[in-house]
Amino acid sequence: EIVLTQSPDFQSVTPKEKVTITCRASQSIGSGLHWYQQKPHQSPKLLIKYTSQSFSGVPSRFSGSGSGTDFTLTINSLEAEDAATYYCHQSSSLPWTFGPGTKVEIK
Amino acid sequence: EVQLVESGGGLVQPGGSLRLSCAASGFTFSTYWMSWVRQAPGKGLEWVANIKQDGSEKYYVDSVKGRFTISRDNAKNSLYLQMNSLRAEDTAVYYCSGGLTISDHWGQGTLVTLSS
Repeated sequence: EIVLTQSPDFQSVTPKEKVTITCRASQSIGSGLHWYQQKPHQSPKLLIKYTSQSFSGVPSRFSGSGSGTDFTLTINSLEAEDAATYYCHQSSSLPWTFGPGTKVEIK
Repeated sequence: EVQLVESGGGLVQPGGSLRLSCAASGFTFSTYWMSWVRQAPGKGLEWVANIKQDGSEKYYVDSVKGRFTISRDNAKNSLYLQMNSLRAEDTAVYYCSGGLTISDHWGQGTLVTLSS
C-alpha cells in the first residue's frame, strides 16, 4: 500500500498570503497524484488532477506540481473562502489512498 | 450538472447489513469509474471500493473484502454498496464518487452508524 504523508498538518494564514502544502508518497507514483478541498460539513471537491491539471471551475490561484514521490499544492493569494482541509490522493496503484489532510485556517 | 445522491444510510447493529445507493444524473453514467469513499467522524478520507464502467472489474480496500460488494446498474444510472457483517469501525459518512478515471465528482454522503 502506498502511504501518503502531508505537511504541515495545520496552517494559519493571513489573506493574500501564499500557501504551500506538500505530499510525499512512500514510493514513486508517477503523476497519479490529485488534490481535494473539503470545507466543514461538505463533501470533497477536486482541485487538481494528475499532479498539475486544474479541474474545471477551480480558481487559477490553485496549482499543483511535482513527480515521483514529492508533490506540492500551492494556493497563491489565499482568500477567506479557502479555509478548508486539503487532501492529496493517489490513484497510481491499488488500494487508492489519501493523505491525512492539511487544515488551513484563515487568521 | 453532475449530481450524485446517496441514500440508504442509518443506524444498524454490529453484525447487521445495509445497502447504500447512489443515483447519478447530469452525465453519461456508463462512462464513469465509480467509487465509494468513507470518512469516519472527525477523521480523513478512506477509499472503500471501485467499479469499472461496465462492472467487469471491482476492487476493495482490505478491511472490507468479503463483507462489502460494490455494484452498478447502468440502465438505472445507479451505484450500490451492499455492506454485510458490519463492524463498529465501519461507522462513517459514505460518499459516492466518480469520473472518467478518478473521483472528479462527489455526492453529499450518507451516514452509517453502528451501535448496539
